Amino acid sequence: DGGITQSPKYLFRKEGQNVTLSCEQNLNHDAMYWYRQDPGQGLRLIYYSQIVNDFQKGDIAEGYSVSREKKESFPLTVTSAQKNPTAFYLCASSFGVFTGELFFGEGSRLTVL
Amino acid sequence: AQKITQTQPGMFVQEKEAVTLDCTYDTSDPSYGLFWYKQPSSGEMIFLIYQGSYDQQNATEGRYSLNFQKARKSANLVISASQLGDSAMYFCAMRGSETYKYIFGTGTRLKVLA
Repeated sequence: DGGITQSPKYLFRKEGQNVTLSCEQNLNHDAMYWYRQDPGQGLRLIYYSQIVNDFQKGDIAEGYSVSREKKESFPLTVTSAQKNPTAFYLCASSFGVFTGELFFGEGSRLTVL
Repeated sequence: AQKITQTQPGMFVQEKEAVTLDCTYDTSDPSYGLFWYKQPSSGEMIFLIYQGSYDQQNATEGRYSLNFQKARKSANLVISASQLGDSAMYFCAMRGSETYKYIFGTGTRLKVLA
C-alpha cells in the first residue's frame, strides 16, 4: 500500500543531542514537508522540498536541518540549537504544484529529557 | 501574507445533529485551495474535503460539506448527522497558487455527545 512512513514513533533525547526523524514515501510525490505541532496548537511549517536536492525554510526552521537526496526520503534533524524541541512532528507529501491535498505520516513524538 | 483563522477552540454537538466549524482566511494569491483535516487522538491527519477558489459549487464529501463564501473569505466545514467517531480536532488549511506552502489554522476540538 502507498503511504508515508515516519520513524521512530516515539523518541527521547537528552539535551544537547541531535536526533534525526525519518520520513519515507512511496506515493511518487514531488513535494514533501515537515510540520511541528505543539499541544493544543496548529501545525507550523519547518521545511519543505519541491524536488530532489532542493528545499526551503518554513516559518520555524531555526534549529532544524533537512536533506532531500532521494525523491522518496526527507529526513529531519533536530539539532541541539533548537531551544524547545519537545513536540509532535508530522511529515507530509503532495503530488504536484497546484493540485492535491497533503498526505501525512503517523507522526513522531519527540521528548527532550 | 497568508493566514488561516479558526476562532472556535472547542465545540460540542449532540449525536445525529449537524455542526458548523468556522474558518476564515486571508491571501493575496489569485487562486488558492482550501482544505479540512481531521486529527483523532491518535495524531494522524485525515483529509476530509477540498475547495478550489474558482470552483462554482461548494464541495461535498459524504457527511462533510464546505460552505465557501469567497467574498467573505470564509470556508466553514459542515458535518451533518454527527457521530461519536467525529470527536476529534479539525484543522482548516490553505495553499496559494504561488507557493507549495500549506498553512494551517489552530484547530477546533469537536466533542460529540451521546
